[in-house]
Amino acid sequence: QQQVKQSPQSLIVQKGGISIINCAYENTAFDYFPWYQQFPGKGPALLIAIRPDVSEKKEGRFTISFNKSAKQFSLHIMDSQPGDSATYFCAATFQTGANNLFFGTGTRLTVIP
Amino acid sequence: KAGVTQTPRYLIKTRGQQVTLSCSPISGHRSVSWYQQTPGQGLQFLFEYFSETQRNKGNFPGRFSGRQFSNSRSEMNVSTLELGDSALYLCASSALPRDTGELFFGEGSRLTVL
Repeated sequence: QQQVKQSPQSLIVQKGGISIINCAYENTAFDYFPWYQQFPGKGPALLIAIRPDVSEKKEGRFTISFNKSAKQFSLHIMDSQPGDSATYFCAATFQTGANNLFFGTGTRLTVIP
Repeated sequence: KAGVTQTPRYLIKTRGQQVTLSCSPISGHRSVSWYQQTPGQGLQFLFEYFSETQRNKGNFPGRFSGRQFSNSRSEMNVSTLELGDSALYLCASSALPRDTGELFFGEGSRLTVL
């Protein structure tokens, strides 16, 4: 059972456009929601993360929007660049002290020059 | 500061064999987690070790095991390999369990089972 559902599976955006990736979860005990970026041949790298006590977090061109009542969160990439072309994973985990992240299935983003 | 190092990077095994993968965490990091990445199932948590103790285990059969040494280096072992075990196995380290929540991943060991 997929604990975190992610969409779309793939996304093509023009350079300068906005990329939006959505995730939904069921377990209300999740309390930490990171996004990871993975380039081919590399391991995932933390991009940005949010806790459910805030509705939005922005770091540079990357913004997470969090809707606790809807159990949804999304990643917005503003002014998308070709260098942003990668696979993006949302994830969720519990405040249990264990590093077991539940990942979404990933979104392959392609930014066209 | 060196990142997470995984060896070997690529390996090919046949069904029924066993394999051991190694992970050296970032210096000073004491928590090591392992994940399996496949096109069909995505990234799935295998287990986590901290101070040589397994803290948590994912939903994988007993053929998957691991351990951590006193220097925080970790190994995972898969016995009686099956075709479905073909995957990228990723190791991640953090300073403490759920320190800032940031896991630092290695580049993975790509296992192909024939």
